[in-house]
Parts: sequence; C-alpha cells; structure tokens
Amino acid sequence: DTEVTQTPKHLVMGMTNKKSLKCEQHMGHRAMYWYKQKAKKPPELMFVYSYEKLSINESVPSRFSPECPNSSLLNLHLHALQPEDSALYLCASSHEGSDGYTFGSGTRLTVV
Amino acid sequence: DQQVKQNSPSLSVQEGRISILNCDYTNSMFDYFLWYKKYPAEGPTFLISISSIKDKNEDGRFTVFLNKSAKHLSLHIVPSQPGDSAVYFCAARRGVNDMRFGAGTRLTVKP
Repeated sequence: DTEVTQTPKHLVMGMTNKKSLKCEQHMGHRAMYWYKQKAKKPPELMFVYSYEKLSINESVPSRFSPECPNSSLLNLHLHALQPEDSALYLCASSHEGSDGYTFGSGTRLTVV
Repeated sequence: DQQVKQNSPSLSVQEGRISILNCDYTNSMFDYFLWYKKYPAEGPTFLISISSIKDKNEDGRFTVFLNKSAKHLSLHIVPSQPGDSAVYFCAARRGVNDMRFGAGTRLTVKP
C-alpha cells in the first residue's frame, strides 16, 4: 500500500457543526502532516506529527484540533469554523527526513 | 510571509521543447528543495529534489538547478510531453519536517 487515504473527499458544514477529517496510511511513515490550500495559493503547513507527537503547530486557530491516535491515522477535528476556512485540506506522510512526502487527494471543505 | 515564490502562474510550451519553471526563496535556513507535480483531483506527487550542497540534480528528462547565492532554483523538463501538463509546486524544507510550498505554476504542453 503506497497511498495516503483521506476521507471524506468533500464536506459541507455549517458554522455551528462539529466534523472530523480523517487521514490514513500504511507505509510505516512516522511523520504525518496537515496542509491547507486555498485557490491559487500554496499549500500552507498547519500541523506536523512525528512519532505520534505534535512537533509543529503553525499558530493554527483552536477551532482546528489535530489528533494522531496511532502511527497510521491522523485526524483533524473541526468546530465552529468560519466561511474563510473553506479550502482543500491535504494530508501527507513521510519517513523522517525523506526526500518527498506522499500526499492524499485532499478533502474539499466548504463552510456555510 | 511567503517564503517560497513562484512568480509565473502559468507556462505554455510546445511538445518536444524545453520547459523551464522558476522558483525563488527568501529563507536561508532552507537546506533541501523539492519539486512536486499535481494533477486535478489528486494530491501533489514528489518529482525531484536537490540538497543545498549541490547545484544540479538530474533524473531522466527532469533537471533541477540550484543557485544558492541568488536563492533561486529552476526545473527543466526536456523534451516536454503533453503528459507533463500539470501544476508544478516548488517546495523548500528546513530541518526534517518543516516544508513550505510555492503557489505553483500551471504547465501546459501543446501537441
């Protein structure tokens, strides 16, 4: 298995909803990442987990809450989001310090 | 503060010719540089990389050049093929897990 699987592919949520994005990989990668990408902008780093511990938090608002329950899973819990949080959320994984990350296809999130 | 910049949002080239995609960075702490390719509805896929101690890395039709003094790198694709049409992201890494991306350049290779 050489893929990163993200679910759901599309999500529409209201500003009072609570939802979760899920990311799964079975490549034995011990580093996992969340990126956020808005249209015509670069993917922006949000969080990095290394060996299931949060190692980088890029000053992301607390309405985004990451969780790494085990070495294969990465979640992003969403609560009280704003319309400007609508974006493509990309998950990636890698071996520590490896050349390239393996990205999932992303979750297209729309906040209404 | 965008630390990695791709100033050309799009590039169009004829099949068989050379495609040159450019990237500039501002942070001298970056020590590893990468190019990713992205097709619609897919995540970016790793293409080629270069360490800051080198100035060139070649892999088949793809060559990446690094000019550290100018904080500039470029990706050359020769010869370009229609299947190369995609969005290309430049990325720069600092340390083990901190990677930043440029905004991407959409390459179109015309038959």
